[in-house]
Amino acid sequence: QQQVKQSPQSLIVQKGGISIINCAYENTAFDYFPWYQQFPGKGPALLIAIRPDVSEKKEGRFTISFNKSAKQFSLHIMDSQPGDSATYFCAASIYSNYQLIWGAGTKLIIKP
Amino acid sequence: NAGVMQNPRHLVRRRGQEARLRCSPMKGHSHVYWYRQLPEEGLKFMVYLQKENIIDESGMPKERFSAEFPKEGPSILRIQQVVRGDSAAYFCASSPPSGVPNTEAFFGQGTRLTVV
Repeated sequence: QQQVKQSPQSLIVQKGGISIINCAYENTAFDYFPWYQQFPGKGPALLIAIRPDVSEKKEGRFTISFNKSAKQFSLHIMDSQPGDSATYFCAASIYSNYQLIWGAGTKLIIKP
Repeated sequence: NAGVMQNPRHLVRRRGQEARLRCSPMKGHSHVYWYRQLPEEGLKFMVYLQKENIIDESGMPKERFSAEFPKEGPSILRIQQVVRGDSAAYFCASSPPSGVPNTEAFFGQGTRLTVV
């Protein structure tokens, strides 16, 4: 019940295209869903996060879509750029709890 | 304001040796979290510490692993008698004493431990 399943494992997108990464969770108590971006040799950095009171959150070219009934959430990167090439992790937790449960990551490559 | 500082960045140890990983939190942060990342996997929570206190070590292996966060100095993750399976990236994150930990935690660059 603590798992977060992330797909795809790797993704190649042309510059200017839309990158979509999906995650599914099991624990209905989870109410905080962040996405992290990690560049090679660096630590993860919080990119964007959503709570279940909204179905979508947008920050610049990054959008989280959230489907509470399906227990799924996804990251959309619009107008993908080569600088977006990184590994993306979804995670989930109870908002007040420090223990994030992480997905396995998606390695995104944006081709120029 | 320096970020979360971890050292060393890379550490090579022979089987049976001890590994010591250090983490200096961001200025003003008094909460420290350690995570382990195996290749091709997400991060796994290991331990949560506040100054001089272990708050939650439920993710830490029962043997060979220990962590501390003394009143002065960095947090230390110690792995005794390392084995090949300990090879991983170890990340430290810190957060301020108030607020919601997950939304305000910043990660260091990690220590990549290789056991040969």
